[in-house]
Amino acid sequence: DTAVSQTPKYLVTQMGNDKSIKCEQNLGHDTMYWYKQDSKKFLKIMFSYNNKELIINETVPNRFSPKSPDKAHLNLHINSLELGDSAVYFCASSHDALSYEQYFGPGTRLTVT
Amino acid sequence: AQKVTQAQTEISVVEKEDVTLDCVYETRDTTYYLFWYKQPPSGELVFLIRRNSFDEQNEISGRYSWNFQKSTSSFNFTITASQVVDSAVYFCALSEPKTGANNLFFGTGTRLTVIP
Repeated sequence: DTAVSQTPKYLVTQMGNDKSIKCEQNLGHDTMYWYKQDSKKFLKIMFSYNNKELIINETVPNRFSPKSPDKAHLNLHINSLELGDSAVYFCASSHDALSYEQYFGPGTRLTVT
Repeated sequence: AQKVTQAQTEISVVEKEDVTLDCVYETRDTTYYLFWYKQPPSGELVFLIRRNSFDEQNEISGRYSWNFQKSTSSFNFTITASQVVDSAVYFCALSEPKTGANNLFFGTGTRLTVIP
């Protein structure tokens, strides 16, 4: 059973398009996150959601809009894709906002051409 | 400012050698957590260890050991008798508890290559 899953695993698209990445966790966790890993492997937090509510937005452009329909899902929608958005996006979850162990999904490699 | 510094970008060792990966962190909080994650070539992030700021005991898990020293703000990771399967990028990370949030701040990673 996959604890944190992401779809798709790979996404290739053209500049200017709008795309979504889905994340689901079956751990019963309250808190979910999105991280971005760039081409140099640098990992950075983008968003944190707790009980479907946004708690952290780390200066991410408003072209990125996370949506949490329920506690088990945190989807990432990206408008007007740019070349610099090419990266691996990781979803993660933790038991609650103060739990320090985060479980990561397998990542989605986004390539913008 | 970078909260977590991993000065070693890449390290290569021959199988069975010991290797230490350095991690230096920066925080003004008295309560914080430190982590190590492994990212093998397949790309997933694998949790290795969590240590809170009040527990400076070193930890050993099989061939892995961690040395936490608050005096030098370091949380180093040693692999003894390295194996080819240890080849991966290793990330050190810091978490500073804040109201309603707990985000991981990652270092830039150290790529370890174990040569057979």
